[in-house]
Amino acid sequence: DIVLTQSPGTLSLSPGERATLSCRASQSVNSNYLGWFQQKPGQAPRLLIYGASSRATGIPDRFSGSGSGTDFTLTISRLEPEDFAVYYCQQYGSSPRTFGQGTKVEIK
Amino acid sequence: EVQLVESGGGLVQPGGSLRLSCSASGFTFGSYAMHWVRQAPGKGLEYVSGISSVSGTSYADSVKGRFTISRDNSKNTLYLQMSSLRAEDTAVYYCVKSIATLWLSTFGPWGQGTLVTVSS
Repeated sequence: DIVLTQSPGTLSLSPGERATLSCRASQSVNSNYLGWFQQKPGQAPRLLIYGASSRATGIPDRFSGSGSGTDFTLTISRLEPEDFAVYYCQQYGSSPRTFGQGTKVEIK
Repeated sequence: EVQLVESGGGLVQPGGSLRLSCSASGFTFGSYAMHWVRQAPGKGLEYVSGISSVSGTSYADSVKGRFTISRDNSKNTLYLQMSSLRAEDTAVYYCVKSIATLWLSTFGPWGQGTLVTVSS
């Protein structure tokens, strides 16, 4: 199975700052089938990015994804108050699909 | 609007069985792969199982041989039959729809989840 390792575990930032989240795969992710999800307390996750860099419907352009092969990045250009949450990467190019362990973005 | 409503969760003893259901609406259910993802209390997301539009299946190693995913396209319903349950299966179980009709597509709408607690 492909293991996804996210870093850092926690990111402490202020509103307006830039957030950079990393996701590293134990082997190459087929065709960059890599997605990012946001989860807030008590809610189901929400898709932000698919195909490593395509924004899902309705996702603001301050969210962007990049990377290929084994190294992927989610960038939030300017943090809004509603962006403080936990973020997960997921690969869906190999079975079984797997998730990273999550990065918590908290208010500094 | 896509709606996914899970049911069937509850308290079960170790070694017991439970069947989860997910009632879907707002899209052509039979055209999309569907999945189950779980989240243990205070923990991260864990992929459990998926089923394609033509009923091909995939399972996480942690549930293989114990869980069975199935679908009834006439009822727009996804199922997860869980047996030989263990304490580590305790989690909220989410029903998830693929964003596209291809098997290799990521997850779109999620249900609100149903809690399964395995305890004596």
